[in-house]
Amino acid sequence: DIQMTQSPSSVSASVGDRVTITCRASQGISSWLAWYQQKPGKAPKLLIYAASSLQSGVPSRFSGSGSGTDFTLTISSLQPEDFATYYCQQANSFPPYTFGQGTKLEIK
Amino acid sequence: EVQLVESGGGLVKPGGSLRLSCAASGFTFSSYSMNWVRQAPGKGLEWVSSISSSSSYIYYADSVKGRFTISRDNAKNSLYLQMNSLRAEDTAVYYCARPTGADAFDIWGQGTMVTVSS
Repeated sequence: DIQMTQSPSSVSASVGDRVTITCRASQGISSWLAWYQQKPGKAPKLLIYAASSLQSGVPSRFSGSGSGTDFTLTISSLQPEDFATYYCQQANSFPPYTFGQGTKLEIK
Repeated sequence: EVQLVESGGGLVKPGGSLRLSCAASGFTFSSYSMNWVRQAPGKGLEWVSSISSSSSYIYYADSVKGRFTISRDNAKNSLYLQMNSLRAEDTAVYYCARPTGADAFDIWGQGTMVTVSS
């Protein structure tokens, strides 16, 4: 199975900051990577698919990049509603789909 | 509105069984494969099972293989997960999720909680 490793596991930032979260796959997954945002008690929400494609309705301050084994999610200017936990997910080698362990974005 | 609504969760003793349901609306359910994803309390997301649109292809995570059975009824726009021989480590919120063409999950239900405890 492909292992997905996110870093950092948690990050503190302020409104207006630029934040980058990294996801590394244990083997190449081309661009078969998605990013999700999850708030407490809620289902995950798809932000980015195919590594860099913005899901409909998601603000343009979210962007994704990368291919192969290394990927990043960038939030260009943090808004109060962005404080949440973020997960990456690979879809190149299935089954199984695998997720990263999550990155908790907290208010500084 | 495109929507998935899970039901059937609850408290069950170790070794017991439970059947989860997921009702789909607002899209052509029979055209999509469907998945179950779970999340243990305070933990990350774990893919559980997938079923193709016509039920021809079915896959399970190793952690549930032989104990869980996924199925669907396209006439009823419904997805199911039969869970047998439940263990404490199966305690989680169970989500049904619809994949996009890029195999990302764009539609999720609200989740249903399964607690396995004596």
